[in-house]
Amino acid sequence: DGGITQSPKYLFRKEGQNVTLSCEQNLNHDAMYWYRQDPGQGLRLIYYSQIVNDFQKGDIAEGYSVSREKKESFPLTVTSAQKNPTAFYLCASKGGEAYGYTFGSGTRLTVV
Amino acid sequence: LAKTTQPISMDSYEGQEVNITCSHNNIATNDYITWYQQFPSQGPRFIIQGYKTKVTNEVASLFIPADRKSSTLSLPRVSLSDTAVYYCLVARYSSASKIIFGSGTRLSIRP
Repeated sequence: DGGITQSPKYLFRKEGQNVTLSCEQNLNHDAMYWYRQDPGQGLRLIYYSQIVNDFQKGDIAEGYSVSREKKESFPLTVTSAQKNPTAFYLCASKGGEAYGYTFGSGTRLTVV
Repeated sequence: LAKTTQPISMDSYEGQEVNITCSHNNIATNDYITWYQQFPSQGPRFIIQGYKTKVTNEVASLFIPADRKSSTLSLPRVSLSDTAVYYCLVARYSSASKIIFGSGTRLSIRP
């Protein structure tokens, strides 16, 4: 079945360490997105990519970095510059207009 | 993209029809409305989308008046499993650009 795979589901890191969250899709979608969700809040856009080797900052890009070397993959690195990295991170992709955005199951990052 | 406003929370009972209204006063001509459902610790799931009038699928209906400044998601005969957060979003046709999530409506269904 086609979909988006995020790994790991839970991630613990020490403060000051960089960490990379994986996002892979086999839907052949061109566009991919990273969102952050804090408890009781909506989703906020971190980065998005419309095609391979191209990406744009979202509303809260500071302290994060991404790459898009392959159509299927859009990894997110949470750097030590991100002040409050503990959150639920969601990856999404978009294909045709009729099908909306497909989300992964998320990665819950806890920094201690 | 147009900002959306929807109620913070709603309560209902099993078997009832639930209508969640969203306002998007600044919607543009090439924007459409889309709704998502999210359960705790899961990614949002697409429910329905539309441009104008009425759209119906196997899980919901979407009503959009002529001025398109609001929309109403209708869930027929809800069950306990419909307890979730529902997001109303405005997205743009022919663009893979970002969509903006508001805080959503937290729907609680009681037995």
